[in-house]
Amino acid sequence: DTAVSQTPKYLVTQMGNDKSIKCEQNLGHDTMYWYKQDSKKFLKIMFSYNNKELIINETVPNRFSPKSPDKAHLNLHINSLELGDSAVYFCASKKDLQYFGPGTRLTVL
Amino acid sequence: DQQVKQNSPSLSVQEGRISILNCDYTNSMFDYFLWYKKYPAEGPTFLISISSIKDKNEDGRFTVFLNKSAKHLSLHIVPSQPGDSAVYFCAASVAGETQGGSEKLVFGKGTKLTVNP
Repeated sequence: DTAVSQTPKYLVTQMGNDKSIKCEQNLGHDTMYWYKQDSKKFLKIMFSYNNKELIINETVPNRFSPKSPDKAHLNLHINSLELGDSAVYFCASKKDLQYFGPGTRLTVL
Repeated sequence: DQQVKQNSPSLSVQEGRISILNCDYTNSMFDYFLWYKKYPAEGPTFLISISSIKDKNEDGRFTVFLNKSAKHLSLHIVPSQPGDSAVYFCAASVAGETQGGSEKLVFGKGTKLTVNP
């Protein structure tokens, strides 16, 4: 059983497109996160949600809009994709520790 | 502004020997430190942590040492095994700074460990 799952695993798209990445956790956790790992390998927090409520927003451009339809899901929608958005995006959920999903590699051409 | 630094991008050791991975931090407010391990095409998985009230925490082959005055921590793996080959991320947080249950982890860039048979 996968604890934190993300779809798709790979996403290749053109600049200017809008795309979504989905995340689901079956751990019953209240808190979920999105992280971005850029080409320099830094893993940086973007957002956190607690029970569908936005808690942390790390000054991410408003082209990025997280949506939490229920506490088991935290999806990431990205409008008007730019070259610099190319990265690996990780979802995580937390009770005592953060559990990460496998990542989604986004490539913007 | 790198608050958590892992200055060695890679480390190679022989099976059975000790692996020592280092991490430095600049924010003196950090009081909780974690190590995560990451295999290719997978997400990071929690390995071991330490609170600032301790200077050592041990779990099987893994030991984390914390030197608060030097703002330095290290992860020791002994004996190293080929299955330990992965990228190791150091992370830190201010434990009291949780908002609505959300903690903000600050990660280093990672060190790629290769354990040779």
